[in-house]
Amino acid sequence: QKEVEQNSGPLSVPEGAIASLNCTYSDRGSQSFFWYRQYSGKSPELIMFIYSNGDKEDGRFTAQLNKASQYVSLLIRDSQPSDSATYLCAADQGAQKLVFGQGTRLTINP
Amino acid sequence: AAGVIQSPRHLIKEKRETATLKCYPIPRHDTVYWYQQGPGQDPQFLISFYEKMQSDKGSIPDRFSAQQFSDYHSELNMSSLELGDSALYFCASSLGAARETQYFGPGTRLLVL
Repeated sequence: QKEVEQNSGPLSVPEGAIASLNCTYSDRGSQSFFWYRQYSGKSPELIMFIYSNGDKEDGRFTAQLNKASQYVSLLIRDSQPSDSATYLCAADQGAQKLVFGQGTRLTINP
Repeated sequence: AAGVIQSPRHLIKEKRETATLKCYPIPRHDTVYWYQQGPGQDPQFLISFYEKMQSDKGSIPDRFSAQQFSDYHSELNMSSLELGDSALYFCASSLGAARETQYFGPGTRLLVL
């Protein structure tokens, strides 16, 4: 079992709808959680990070963290075709290392 | 804003050859991380450096070594290359060593023939 689990998808969402991406983690010592967006052949691009339980909003993106359930999610409102990418959930493991999930492929259909 | 710089962007080597990948962190960032991403896989942590000292080690083969220099740039040295080393190699940097946000460079695509 991977330490960070994501549904690999593909997840298809109509343009303008809300895309919901989910992630679970197994290491209760993890304190920081990150969502990266990665286009094919490109580097991971930071979307959001979250440290505290609850919701964190940044523009069209909302990250949610529930440490009791070891669950992290990312909501994308008003989805655009340019949001089509692989979304990587990552958790810190120790002070230095990031452990990534396998990524969820998201497709926004015009 | 300045980003992480990696060179070369593409590299083709033959089995048993050596390769050196370079990473220049974002200015003022003192921590560098190396990740390997195989086709269709998530990035796997290799090694990290903080203030020129190795700070954490992941699944880095013994054939690989790395260091961080006084100007904070880092080099990943890969010897006795194998076909399975073909991957994207990302460098990331952060300011500070503890659970800080990591910003990724564009990556070096290594192909071993």
